[in-house]
Amino acid sequence: DQQVKQNSPSLSVQEGRISILNCDYTNSMFDYFLWYKKYPAEGPTFLISISSIKDKNEDGRFTVFLNKSAKHLSLHIVPSQPGDSAVYFCAASASFGNEKLTFGTGTRLTIIP
Amino acid sequence: KAGVTQTPRYLIKTRGQQVTLSCSPISGHRSVSWYQQTPGQGLQFLFEYFSETQRNKGNFPGRFSGRQFSNSRSEMNVSTLELGDSALYLCASSVGTHTGANVLTFGAGSRLTVL
Repeated sequence: DQQVKQNSPSLSVQEGRISILNCDYTNSMFDYFLWYKKYPAEGPTFLISISSIKDKNEDGRFTVFLNKSAKHLSLHIVPSQPGDSAVYFCAASASFGNEKLTFGTGTRLTIIP
Repeated sequence: KAGVTQTPRYLIKTRGQQVTLSCSPISGHRSVSWYQQTPGQGLQFLFEYFSETQRNKGNFPGRFSGRQFSNSRSEMNVSTLELGDSALYLCASSVGTHTGANVLTFGAGSRLTVL
């Protein structure tokens, strides 16, 4: 049972435009959400997170939106750059700071120059 | 400061064998977590160790085990290997105190192929 779902396996976006990556979850116990980025032959690296008490968190070009009622979160990257091409994983935790994360299957983002 | 180091990076085993993977966390990090990544399944949580004790466990069979040493280094072991155990095994370290946003820092992984 996939509790965190990323329904788009891949996404292509023109350089300079907005990239929007989506994630849905089913477990209402999740209260902390994270996005990780993964390049080939490297481990995932932390990008941005959001607590369930917020609906938006920004960090430079990256913004995460959380819609608790819809159990949906999204990552916006503006403007998209070629170095953003990577696999993006959405992850969720049932308690703040817990190491047990439930990950989605990832979305491969390709930025077209 | 040095990142999370995993060894070996690549290994090939045959069915029925056992394998041990090693992880050295970031200095000062006391929590080490292990994840399995397979195509189509994303990353799946195996277990987490903090101060030499298993603090959390995922839904994997008993063939998967781990331990943590007093210097926070960790090993995981898979016995009686099956073809389906072929995967990228990722180790992540964190402070582990659960007093703040506990971001995991991942190593590059150990890619296991079972023939």
